[in-house]
Amino acid sequence: EPEVTQTPSHQVTQMGQEVILRCVPISNHLYFYWYRQILGQKVEFLVSFYNNEISEKSEIFDDQFSVERPDGSNFTLKIRSTKLEDSAMYFCASNRGTSGNEQFFGPGTRLTVL
Amino acid sequence: AQSVTQLGSHVSVSEGALVLLRCNYSSSVPPYLFWYVQYPNQGLQLLLKYTTGATLVKGINGFEAEFKKSETSFHLTKPSAHMSDAAEYFCAVRETGTYKYIFGTGTRLKVLA
Repeated sequence: EPEVTQTPSHQVTQMGQEVILRCVPISNHLYFYWYRQILGQKVEFLVSFYNNEISEKSEIFDDQFSVERPDGSNFTLKIRSTKLEDSAMYFCASNRGTSGNEQFFGPGTRLTVL
Repeated sequence: AQSVTQLGSHVSVSEGALVLLRCNYSSSVPPYLFWYVQYPNQGLQLLLKYTTGATLVKGINGFEAEFKKSETSFHLTKPSAHMSDAAEYFCAVRETGTYKYIFGTGTRLKVLA
């Protein structure tokens, strides 16, 4: 069964460093998403991406964040200058985009900013 | 703005007992509703969803949920809990016209032997 994959599973970085989180969505899906879950808190929407551009983003997704689909399979989230409060689990998701179609989530990348 | 409230951050049930996890939503338009389960160190797995049509939806692992518009609820139930049901459960809403999900804070289910 096709699934969303994410690498790395755990990333440790120093405050102020840039990180890139990688995702491989399901191959025939057209919409891609990033969510994050700070430890002990709810899962929060960050951004959605369709047709090579951002279709929707939350207040969290400020200028420090960017997304890219560099090729036909990968979908990346970049944080330019990490802060302590960026420590969280980051989930990638994808779906075909048809009405009611559920999002399929990857296993997540745990980002720890020291 | 849409929101989701999950009552009870922790729920404990005995093995074989009824599982009831509560979810109430706020939405100005007909919502799409989802329940996801998260096992330790894993991603979110879809249990079931409501989009349109039948208000009682059945999902995987014996779970079901009923959409009640008058109560703005979408509670998750399972007649008989199994030890393997121990996990965190998230209710989510997606409004028509947007693709983002709004999640509840989650309910951690513990199943006692």
